[in-house]
Amino acid sequence: QVQLVQSGSELKKTGASVKVSCKASGYSFTSYALNWVRLAPGRGLEWMGWIDTSTGNPTYAQAFTGRFVFSSDTSVSTTYLQIGNLKAEDTAVYYCARDHHGAGVDYWGQGTLVTVSS
Amino acid sequence: QSALTQPASVSGSPGQSITISCTGTSSDVGGYNYVSWYQHHPGRAPKLIIYDVSSRPSGVSNRFSGSKSGNTASLSISGLQAEDEADYYCSSYASSNTLLFGGGTRLTVL
Repeated sequence: QVQLVQSGSELKKTGASVKVSCKASGYSFTSYALNWVRLAPGRGLEWMGWIDTSTGNPTYAQAFTGRFVFSSDTSVSTTYLQIGNLKAEDTAVYYCARDHHGAGVDYWGQGTLVTVSS
Repeated sequence: QSALTQPASVSGSPGQSITISCTGTSSDVGGYNYVSWYQHHPGRAPKLIIYDVSSRPSGVSNRFSGSKSGNTASLSISGLQAEDEADYYCSSYASSNTLLFGGGTRLTVL
């Protein structure tokens, strides 16, 4: 069955960086793009962008350019989200989610809580 | 691009039916038949319950249905059950391979 398993919770200081992983199984990794979605306290889901797992080419939503980097490693069927220069407002649960024919997402990871404090 | 607009909360009693709206523009909801709905129990992974406006993934109860009129999509849940209490989000394909989510609706089963 399709599974997306994410890395565990992170507690970071402001200005630090964090790397969240999302390991896929149960399907051909390079056949589906993977999206990143943020759920911040008091806010709804926010689409951060996606990565073409066959080419490694990322696409970022307007609000997530600059400090956010998507990457993937086909040898371990894993995609990564790296956030640099962390700010308190980056505190959120970050989800990876498999692309559903370019028009939504179907399977989701369990989420990774990133907490940023000074 | 702004998030899609959903009511913050809806409620209903067991056995009743409810509808959640999701309003966008002609550049997203109104322009494509690519609206999806997700059920999210806090602390768990969101679950796809409707895709392409009105299609249900295998295994999703037929108590869930979707529709669209103009720039507004709707999720209906019939025969409310306690387990339906959750947050519900819509999403829509927008132009240039982007995805928009709604702000989410908290469903309370009274």
